[in-house]
Amino acid sequence: DAGITQSPRHKVTETGTPVTLRCHQTENHRYMYWYRQDPGHGLRLIHYSYGVKDTDKGEVSDGYSVSRSKTEDFLLTLESATSSQTSVYFCAISPGQVWTEAFFGQGTRLTVV
Amino acid sequence: DAKTTQPPSMDCAEGRAANLPCNHSTISGNEYVYWYRQIHSQGPQYIIHGLKNNETNEMASLIITEDRKSSTLILPHATLRDTAVYYCIVRALEMDSNYQLIWGAGTKLIIKP
Repeated sequence: DAGITQSPRHKVTETGTPVTLRCHQTENHRYMYWYRQDPGHGLRLIHYSYGVKDTDKGEVSDGYSVSRSKTEDFLLTLESATSSQTSVYFCAISPGQVWTEAFFGQGTRLTVV
Repeated sequence: DAKTTQPPSMDCAEGRAANLPCNHSTISGNEYVYWYRQIHSQGPQYIIHGLKNNETNEMASLIITEDRKSSTLILPHATLRDTAVYYCIVRALEMDSNYQLIWGAGTKLIIKP
């Protein structure tokens, strides 16, 4: 497997609390992505990064923020978690702008109660 | 909306070839057909991609019709470990400013002993 680790793997949190998910890579890839996946659906892009401190919004970015202060780490923050953000979150990395080289992490299952 | 249509589920006997169809009647000239799969509770895994010629790698074969409006992913000797959701996606090879693939619901392939 590509060197990509998500933490935590599972989390239960209360509505209104802040939550930060971490994606760590050892591949030195330039591009990193955060997706969410809900039952019966494919993946939807939340935010992505194309370099240190370079990030942009994806399809479903409302309620989420990201930061990338180092090449290897990409953080996803839910400032005030809501029940609609209960989902499985996947991080992905790629060395360039070619989809065949993208690798996904194992996912973080987040439940907001 | 997803640009592809796949059957929601399929069964295949272990050791047999699994043939997964995908319709993509609105595909553009510069769009490739990608296949990913997602084994339960894991992140998606790239399988294969193609433009108009048939492609084969160590995992699978991809057969694209001459008019490019449909394709078939072939797993030549399916094993129980091939049980997964298979996603067919059409997209230009390079990531554009949206940096995303449009994921549909995929086909749940169940390999039976």
